[in-house]
Amino acid sequence: QVQLVESGGGAVQPGRSLRLSCAASGFTFRSYGIHWVRQVPGKGLEWVAYIWYDGSKKYYADSVKGRFTISRDDSKNSLYLQMNSLRVEDTAVYFCAREGVPAAKGFDYWGQGTLVTVSS
Amino acid sequence: DIQMTQSPSSLSASVGDRVTITCRASQGINNYLAWFQQKPGKAPKSLIYAASSLQSGVPSKFSGSGSGTDFTLTISSLQPEDFATYYCQQYNSYPLTFGGGTKVEIK
Repeated sequence: QVQLVESGGGAVQPGRSLRLSCAASGFTFRSYGIHWVRQVPGKGLEWVAYIWYDGSKKYYADSVKGRFTISRDDSKNSLYLQMNSLRVEDTAVYFCAREGVPAAKGFDYWGQGTLVTVSS
Repeated sequence: DIQMTQSPSSLSASVGDRVTITCRASQGINNYLAWFQQKPGKAPKSLIYAASSLQSGVPSKFSGSGSGTDFTLTISSLQPEDFATYYCQQYNSYPLTFGGGTKVEIK
């Protein structure tokens, strides 16, 4: 069955860096684009970033552009989010979500999330 | 950016009720509209894509409709497991955007 498992969250000070991982299983990872979505506890969902199935295109929310980098390693069936220059407002649960094929199917599977807390 | 406006922000309903949630986009989104269900402390679950198509495994009590800028999610007969927060999302153009959510509570 399709599984997405995030890891790498934790507590970090403002201005520092963190790298999140999303380990995929149960499907042909290299055939799917993957998104990062975040959620401040008790608040709504915010889309963060997306990487095409082949890594050729990447998109970012304005709120993270220039600070976050999405990448993938198909040999490890893994997605990453490198987060630099972290701010207090980046505190959230971060989810990875698979884009269905074709893309018109939207998000079809989500991971369980990993919590990032940015605080001094 | 495309703004997604959901209404109501919360509602109270009884088991067996028919519930409708609306979502309005600030511009046309070519029916690239999805609905998600989220329970406290859990990841969102995908319910509907392309405005009206059910994701695999989603029961038929959930239905979506609409076109252009106005969309609805309907739960035909509310069951205890359906009490949750529901979000719409447009995926027509980047940045992808979500509605603010509708919390469905027990009356």
